[in-house]
Amino acid sequence: RKEVEQDPGPFNVPEGATVAFNCTYSNSASQSFFWYRQDCRKEPKLLMSVYSSGNEDGRFTAQLNRASQYISLLIRDSKLSDSATYLCVVNNYGQNFVFGPGTRLSVLP
Amino acid sequence: EPEVTQTPSHQVTQMGQEVILRCVPISNHLYFYWYRQILGQKVEFLVSFYNNEISEKSEIFDDQFSVERPDGSNFTLKIRSTKLEDSAMYFCASTSQGRETQYFGPGTRLLVL
Repeated sequence: RKEVEQDPGPFNVPEGATVAFNCTYSNSASQSFFWYRQDCRKEPKLLMSVYSSGNEDGRFTAQLNRASQYISLLIRDSKLSDSATYLCVVNNYGQNFVFGPGTRLSVLP
Repeated sequence: EPEVTQTPSHQVTQMGQEVILRCVPISNHLYFYWYRQILGQKVEFLVSFYNNEISEKSEIFDDQFSVERPDGSNFTLKIRSTKLEDSAMYFCASTSQGRETQYFGPGTRLLVL
């Protein structure tokens, strides 16, 4: 089983739609969790950290379920500028961060 | 806003040549990282560096790779004898505390011919 798995995508949604991404991780001892976005041929940029209590930042909501080893990201009222690849990132131990393969989102006009 | 910078943005080299990729992390950060991303694939962890020594490294980071912080600002990745399969985007990242948000540089695209 891969360490971090994500929805294969791509997701093509109209502007204004709500879209949800899922991520699972294999190491139950994982410590920290993040969602990054990556535009084509650019560096990953932090979207949000994910906390056990769940957290929201504007149109973005992240949830963590440690029992199921599952992380989600919900984007409401999607904009054209949300088009990117969304990366689930997990810190297992020490300074080792594991990236998922990413899920590509295209928001269509 | 402080940012991580990397040079060069692109590098083309011949197989077997040595390359040095340079990074300037955010000035008050203490943890430094190198990642690579082969075109169309996921971001892969190479190495982390703290307190002037390697703290973690992946299986990819073999004897051909080395890292150095030669002064108070630069953080370098050296590939001693490049192979075709080293062609990738190399990202440097830094963070103020371990396991927390990483800030990535814009990357160096390495092409080995």
